[in-house]
Amino acid sequence: EAGVAQSPRYKIIEKRQSVAFWCNPISGHATLYWYQQILGQGPKLLIQFQNNGVVDDSQLPKDRFSAERLKGVDSTLKIQPAKLEDSAVYLCASSLERTLMYFGPGTRLLVL
Amino acid sequence: EDQVTQSPEALRLQEGESSSLNCSYTVSGLRGLFWYRQDPGKGPEFLFTLYSAGEEKEKERLKATLTKKESFLHITAPKPEDSATYLCAVQAGRAQKLVFGQGTRLTINP
Repeated sequence: EAGVAQSPRYKIIEKRQSVAFWCNPISGHATLYWYQQILGQGPKLLIQFQNNGVVDDSQLPKDRFSAERLKGVDSTLKIQPAKLEDSAVYLCASSLERTLMYFGPGTRLLVL
Repeated sequence: EDQVTQSPEALRLQEGESSSLNCSYTVSGLRGLFWYRQDPGKGPEFLFTLYSAGEEKEKERLKATLTKKESFLHITAPKPEDSATYLCAVQAGRAQKLVFGQGTRLTINP
């Protein structure tokens, strides 16, 4: 069974630039999550989708971050404009409803 | 607000030297406590889920236990390949999301 796929794996941008990350969840998984993991910290949930709909985006900085999940499968997370403090690993995870969460390898973002 | 605190932040052991990692939590209505392993440059990898106080689970050199306020991850006779960051997370209430602790960075020296 293929795992959660993410791209790109690494991205370096200047502050105030825009960036987008892509996630392809495990086939059949209705729930998709985006987590932000700052160096030395545990992952923090940014947004949770159930199929096409948003279940929880309470910790998403909506003035600069946006996410969408088209057709209930792939998802993109965008940052516009980026700040220095956005430097982190962005993890995508998926799960069947109310079951085990599987993580992708993450996208490592460095904002200069 | 659900909170998860892990200790110690970092632990360095000699090969074969057993120890325990701690995860204390404050949640409303625990549905599950999860342990993940994270290697550098990779996403977290699932190890265990515990659902009720008194429950224990084992996998190779690892054993996880759960009480009403904390969980322990015991590592017996560790090997260098057990070096990783170990993350604890809770799932509480009606939410599906996991709330993570900050992790314990474990290093096993040969």
